[in-house]
Amino acid sequence: EVQLVESGGGLVQPGGSLRLSCVASGFIFSDHYMDWVRQAPGKGLEWVGRARNKVNSYTIEYAASVKGRFIISRDDSKNSLYLQMKSLKTEDTAMYYCTRDSDYAEHAFDIWGQGTVVTVSS
Amino acid sequence: SYELTQPPSVSVSPGQTARITCSGDALPKQYVYWYQQKPGQAPVLIIYKDTERPSGIPERFSGSISGTTVTLTINGVQAEDEADYYCQSADNSATVVFGGGTKLTVL
Repeated sequence: EVQLVESGGGLVQPGGSLRLSCVASGFIFSDHYMDWVRQAPGKGLEWVGRARNKVNSYTIEYAASVKGRFIISRDDSKNSLYLQMKSLKTEDTAMYYCTRDSDYAEHAFDIWGQGTVVTVSS
Repeated sequence: SYELTQPPSVSVSPGQTARITCSGDALPKQYVYWYQQKPGQAPVLIIYKDTERPSGIPERFSGSISGTTVTLTINGVQAEDEADYYCQSADNSATVVFGGGTKLTVL
């Protein structure tokens, strides 16, 4: 079964740090671009960033709202995607989803994890 | 920054046709993707590259494009189609953008 499982969410104070993980199974992880998408409570979807695959030099892209504070990385040997979050703000409170770019279209997120909740509050 | 605009809500009766629009200046130069999200669930990809449907998505879901507006059409709406729908695209720098979402209510 193709699956993405996120972990690492929790409650953190403003200014704090948190590291999210996403473990993939059921497909060849190293072939795919992988992305993080978040959703604040009661709000819409917001793209956080992307990690391209080895063929595309593992390049990383970030949304302007997180650039300089968040770091995306991947470890193909562990079928894992990571999101290191620093200098967290209350507006970073959200469900964080790990997603897979499809085989058939870049930017088409065809597999999503169940999400992990990050709450930034004092 | 690049924006995609969707109507906040659309309401239809069962069996009727629902149309949800998404407009953006970069369309049609950039493809649009559509997602369905039901309460408490992760989004599901229902349309890619403006008009294509992934395997397993019912034929009543279709996409079309006209100028700078793309439309998600749901023919013969069913109660189970009640959900939030998001369009998504990318700008020239490969930054991904989502529309604000449209809540589809089946009356």
